[in-house]
Amino acid sequence: AQRVTQPEKLLSVFKGAPVELKCNYSYSGSPELFWYVQYSRQRLQLLLRHISRESIKGFTADLNKGETSFHLKKPFAQEEDSAMYYCALSGGSGTYKYIFGTGTRLKVLA
Amino acid sequence: EAGVAQSPRYKIIEKRQSVAFWCNPISGHATLYWYQQILGQGPKLLIQFQNNGVVDDSQLPKDRFSAERLKGVDSTLKIQPAKLEDSAVYLCASSDAGASYNSPLHFGNGTRLTVT
Repeated sequence: AQRVTQPEKLLSVFKGAPVELKCNYSYSGSPELFWYVQYSRQRLQLLLRHISRESIKGFTADLNKGETSFHLKKPFAQEEDSAMYYCALSGGSGTYKYIFGTGTRLKVLA
Repeated sequence: EAGVAQSPRYKIIEKRQSVAFWCNPISGHATLYWYQQILGQGPKLLIQFQNNGVVDDSQLPKDRFSAERLKGVDSTLKIQPAKLEDSAVYLCASSDAGASYNSPLHFGNGTRLTVT
């Protein structure tokens, strides 16, 4: 069964500390992985996707097919990073079916 | 480009009443999704359209939920009759999936439904 697991509901870190938001997935095939973010009072939006191999707002994520993980990392957290983060998987024989994890709330403390 | 538009933003109804939500996707986006997000949970896919055809509605409670996408553009999601457990935010998203397998989803602001 297709599944995205985010084990932490809440992650609190101090400003300047490293951040790692965990994401594990289950999928029979080669999915595409994404991170979406929702800042307070804003709509859900794309943060980054693994195919792009890019760094957005200092965040990076590496797809580890052996461990079926796609953890989101940032070396130095900033207060404006506080938000809900959702890991998502897309796949399904060209149907582009998106499945989301339950999300992790990141709180960056001053 | 204009974003995904949804209305209404909020709706409060009593159980057993009916309700409808409307979504206007980004112009040219062939794929449209409806998600249900219950408080504390991630978005759960209800139905996915490719143009005006249904691609996936396996998690849509068809005894009470229905959705349509006329002319492959706007979409409506209806609940009839509503139950208390339908209280959630209903998110509409669209993507230009025909252009790329990795096309991101563009979300609307959602409709917050409260069933009393």
